[in-house]
Amino acid sequence: KQEVTQIPAALSVPEGENLVLNCSFTDSAIYNLQWFRQDPGKGLTSLLLIQSSQREQTSGRLNASLDKSSGRSTLYIAASQPGDSATYLCAVRMDSSYKLIFGSGTRLLVRP
Amino acid sequence: NAGVTQTPKFRILKIGQSMTLQCAQDMNHNYMYWYRQDPGMGLKLIYYSVGAGITDKGEVPNGYNVSRSTTEDFPLRLELAAPSQTSVYFCASSYEGARNTIYFGEGSWLTVV
Repeated sequence: KQEVTQIPAALSVPEGENLVLNCSFTDSAIYNLQWFRQDPGKGLTSLLLIQSSQREQTSGRLNASLDKSSGRSTLYIAASQPGDSATYLCAVRMDSSYKLIFGSGTRLLVRP
Repeated sequence: NAGVTQTPKFRILKIGQSMTLQCAQDMNHNYMYWYRQDPGMGLKLIYYSVGAGITDKGEVPNGYNVSRSTTEDFPLRLELAAPSQTSVYFCASSYEGARNTIYFGEGSWLTVV
């Protein structure tokens, strides 16, 4: 059974710092992996989608990498800003299913 | 372009009552999903649909029912509400399922007392 883990559960950093959020999964036979942002009281917004054949995806200050063999993905945020404060969730989609399996998220606080 | 719209935003139910959470999308997406999110946890799939007239169970379907009579609408029915169904419910949609980005609604906060 696929399990997705995100460590740490919470992270507080000063503004301007570069940071890395981690996501690990137990079954490497994934179809793709997505990173989402969730603001308090809001739904999820997709940030980056990495297909299983890809190694990384970039969007602005965000870079997501995928290493299927080790069951890991990282989300790199460059030059963090207070507006980046939110909960970040990763989710994997398995080959044989349309469902997403979510981690429990990392709650990020960027202090001014 | 409204995206995925959920109603109601907040609701309090008494144990044993029933209700329907409404979800509509205007992006002509064929796939639609219902997830629930418990405090401090990730999302778990309740039901999903790959097109009008087709629905299937997710990880946690017990106590819920869905229907998909049109491409746009995917209502979630709670029968005989229980305290364990207190959660935030998210509807989502995507085009051609796995390869494409999934879009979420803003959520429906449900409390069962």
